[in-house]
Amino acid sequence: GENVEQHPSTLSVQEGDSAVIKCTYSDSASNYFPWYKQELGKRPQLIIDIRSNVGEKKDQRIAVTLNKTAKHFSLHITETQPEDSAVYFCASNAGNMLTFGGGTRLMVKP
Amino acid sequence: EAGVVQSPRYKIIEKKQPVAFWCNPISGHNTLYWYLQNLGQGPELLIRYENEEAVDDSQLPKDRFSAERLKGVDSTLKIQPAELGDSAVYLCASSPRGKNGELFFGEGSRLTVL
Repeated sequence: GENVEQHPSTLSVQEGDSAVIKCTYSDSASNYFPWYKQELGKRPQLIIDIRSNVGEKKDQRIAVTLNKTAKHFSLHITETQPEDSAVYFCASNAGNMLTFGGGTRLMVKP
Repeated sequence: EAGVVQSPRYKIIEKKQPVAFWCNPISGHNTLYWYLQNLGQGPELLIRYENEEAVDDSQLPKDRFSAERLKGVDSTLKIQPAELGDSAVYLCASSPRGKNGELFFGEGSRLTVL
C-alpha cells in the first residue's frame, strides 16, 4: 500500500519567516495531494491541494509544489503568523483512499 | 451547509466495556470513512464505505471492531470489548461523488479507555 513520509516532525519559526514542510510518497498511481491543518482538539481542515497534472499551486500565503518524478511534494507558508501554529498533515490519494503523513507541528513565535 | 457530525465528542469507559460512535456525513456525500488518530500521529484508515457497501476494511480489527452504514447515510462504529490501546480519536469523514480524496472531517470522538 501507499506510504507517506513527512518531515520535519516539528518546526519552529519566527513570525514573518517562511516555513516549508516536505512529503514523499511511494505509489506512482497517486494523483491527488491535499494538505490539512489541525488545531489542538479540532478536526483536520483542508487548506490546499494539488492534482498530478500541475506542478505548483498558490493560495495567498500558502503554496504547494509537486514533483511526480521524484514522488515528493511540499507545503510553503510565507509571512508566517502566530495563528498558523498547528499540526499540518500531508496526504496522497491512490485508489480513492487518502494515506496521511505523520504530521508536522509548526510553532510560530511572535 | 452542515458539516460532518459525530457523537459523542468524548467517551470514557473501562476496559472490556462496549462503545459505539455515530457519524452523519454531509448530505449527498456517498463515500464515508472512519479514521483512527492516535495522539501526535496522522489519521489511519479503518474502513471506507461507498454508499452502504464497505469497500475497504482491511485495517479494521474485526475481532473487536464492527461498522455499519445502513441506507447509505449515517454510520456507526462499534468496539466490543474495548482495550486500553483503543484510546484515541475516531474521525469520520465524507467525500462527494467524483471528488476522489477530497475529505471533509467531523470533529471526532475522543475515546479514553481506563
